[in-house]
Amino acid sequence: DVKVTQSSRYLVKRTGEKVFLECVQDMDHENMFWYRQDPGLGLRLIYFSYDVKMKEKGDIPEGYSVSREKKERFSLILESASTNQTSMYLCASTRQGGQPQHFGDGTRLSIL
Amino acid sequence: QKEVEQNSGPLSVPEGAIASLNCTYSDRGSQSFFWYRQYSGKSPELIMFIYSNGDKEDGRFTAQLNKASQYVSLLIRDSQPSDSATYLCAVKRWNTPLVFGKGTRLSVIA
Repeated sequence: DVKVTQSSRYLVKRTGEKVFLECVQDMDHENMFWYRQDPGLGLRLIYFSYDVKMKEKGDIPEGYSVSREKKERFSLILESASTNQTSMYLCASTRQGGQPQHFGDGTRLSIL
Repeated sequence: QKEVEQNSGPLSVPEGAIASLNCTYSDRGSQSFFWYRQYSGKSPELIMFIYSNGDKEDGRFTAQLNKASQYVSLLIRDSQPSDSATYLCAVKRWNTPLVFGKGTRLSVIA
């Protein structure tokens, strides 16, 4: 079974802090993704990566950056957290091509 | 702008009935089609995927794809209260990110 592990289930941070969300997958998947999910807005793609050290902007990259130094790990960084970044953050991974994405359990992030 | 449309629901069905969930997509070049189930407060869980026109069955679930009409559906037979969740339709071209619909909330009434 594919295992996508997100470092925290719940996280509370203060505005202006630099926040790191970590995601690790154990299936040697090439592609990794970060989404946020908000009520009424659905899943929105923040950033994705098709290979180590590669990154592509998704639909809502503003205020975020990512890092992929190793194939199995994809980190999402909130450079200076703001209250409008309070959300559920979901990491996913997949092989290249048309394969399905597998999600981690999610991190519910609150910015106070 | 690639879009995936779903009726937000809630779709209410009695226990034991067939639940029919529908999805349309705008990108005619889409090649892979997925259904995810998401319980409240949890992450999406893959339940079906389909690549070719026609039907694909897996247990109580059947996915149906009609590329000419740009239409995907999910049938759940013998619906159970545990099937109550939000169902997300997602489509993609080869090696591009998934495009998700906003989901249909299904409520199975015992």
